[in-house]
Amino acid sequence: GAGVSQSPSNKVTEKGKDVELRCDPISGHTALYWYRQSLGQGLEFLIYFQGNSAPDKSGLPSDRFSAERTGGSVSTLTIQRTQQEDSAVYLCASSQGQGANTGELFFGEGSRLTVL
Amino acid sequence: SQKIEQNSEALNIQEGKTATLTCNYTNYSPAYLQWYRQDPGRGPVFLLLIRENEKEKRKERLKVTFDTTLKQSLFHITASQPADSATYLCALPPRTGGYNKLIFGAGTRLAVHP
Repeated sequence: GAGVSQSPSNKVTEKGKDVELRCDPISGHTALYWYRQSLGQGLEFLIYFQGNSAPDKSGLPSDRFSAERTGGSVSTLTIQRTQQEDSAVYLCASSQGQGANTGELFFGEGSRLTVL
Repeated sequence: SQKIEQNSEALNIQEGKTATLTCNYTNYSPAYLQWYRQDPGRGPVFLLLIRENEKEKRKERLKVTFDTTLKQSLFHITASQPADSATYLCALPPRTGGYNKLIFGAGTRLAVHP
């Protein structure tokens, strides 16, 4: 596709359930990022991939959060045993080259997660 | 620790005027800085990147300055239009660990009135 694609666009789940969020970056982009944005707040960095490796996972809030990237393309963010404080919009972005230093981040429209 | 500060209050201006948004940062000297626009319910969209050795950058009606002494970037929109109404985010690499990732400010909401 022409842009970064994320799915699902909306997810409502019950507390304690696991969720998977998917990101399909722009073809050829080697850098991939996950951010989350709570209502009315700024973007919070979660994890950065370069190819299939994640040199920076420093933003993952707990061990309930994990992410992987396969084939240098699609990435999945998994949240286990969801809590209400996990409710947010999860944004994925991709970039050429090494990432933000070389140019812009292209963001998807986000996956809105609501934990009841 | 590093801080990125953007005015949390909305900026209301009249159509045709110049909007000026401020991004202040503390405790370090980033090598570059980026500005993004975010509309409600959408992902951020890149506007401009400026590096530490550049004082000013322009793109159409947009102008960004980067004052490494004041530790401040100013973002200007000239001849503003109602369609410019959005939240504007500044973003910088972190002080340590991660030259290729961005830390975002909370953003400033701009409302341009006809």
